[in-house]
Amino acid sequence: QKEVEQNSGPLSVPEGAIASLNCTYSDRGSQSFFWYRQYSGKSPELIMFIYSNGDKEDGRFTAQLNKASQYVSLLIRDSQPSDSATYLCATNGGADGLTFGKGTHLIIQP
Amino acid sequence: SAVISQKPSRDICQRGTSLTIQCQVDSQVTMMFWYRQQPGQSLTLIATANQGSEATYESGFVIDKFPISRPNLTFSTLTVSNMSPEDSSIYLCSVEGGGTGGGEQYFGPGTRLTVT
Repeated sequence: QKEVEQNSGPLSVPEGAIASLNCTYSDRGSQSFFWYRQYSGKSPELIMFIYSNGDKEDGRFTAQLNKASQYVSLLIRDSQPSDSATYLCATNGGADGLTFGKGTHLIIQP
Repeated sequence: SAVISQKPSRDICQRGTSLTIQCQVDSQVTMMFWYRQQPGQSLTLIATANQGSEATYESGFVIDKFPISRPNLTFSTLTVSNMSPEDSSIYLCSVEGGGTGGGEQYFGPGTRLTVT
């Protein structure tokens, strides 16, 4: 059974600092990895996806993938109060839909 | 990315009744997906809907309870049948998009269902 694990938090980070969100997955057949941001009462919004080992940067966000360790992370630099949300990690093993973790609740303290 | 709309945005229904949720996309897409997000929980895939074929259901979800239609490449419906309070959830449709081949999905705004 495919599983995606995340620390539920809350993770509290001071404004301007780096927020580090982590995710592990069980299915070695997973090909792509996704980070979604979900504000309370809203639907998930795609932030980044990654499918190659290493780092992928997009603005203040960096996704990191280590397939050998089955580990994915998301770094948010210069954290802003507007980054406060639940961050969902998801994997895609093929033609199926996505398997989601339970999410990490991130709080950016002004 | 595609623009996705859902109707209704929310509803309160009595147990034993059924509700049909509509999902409309502004461009043609091959695959559409239906997810459920129970209160305080993450998203769980209900089924994958391809145009012209039967939907593929995940373990724990059956067609009699969650019948799905996919009449064309821009539209799908999910029906929640014979509802009970345990069906109170947010129901989300999604589509693959972006043209990157990475399998990323974009979500509609969701339908918040409360069963009393």
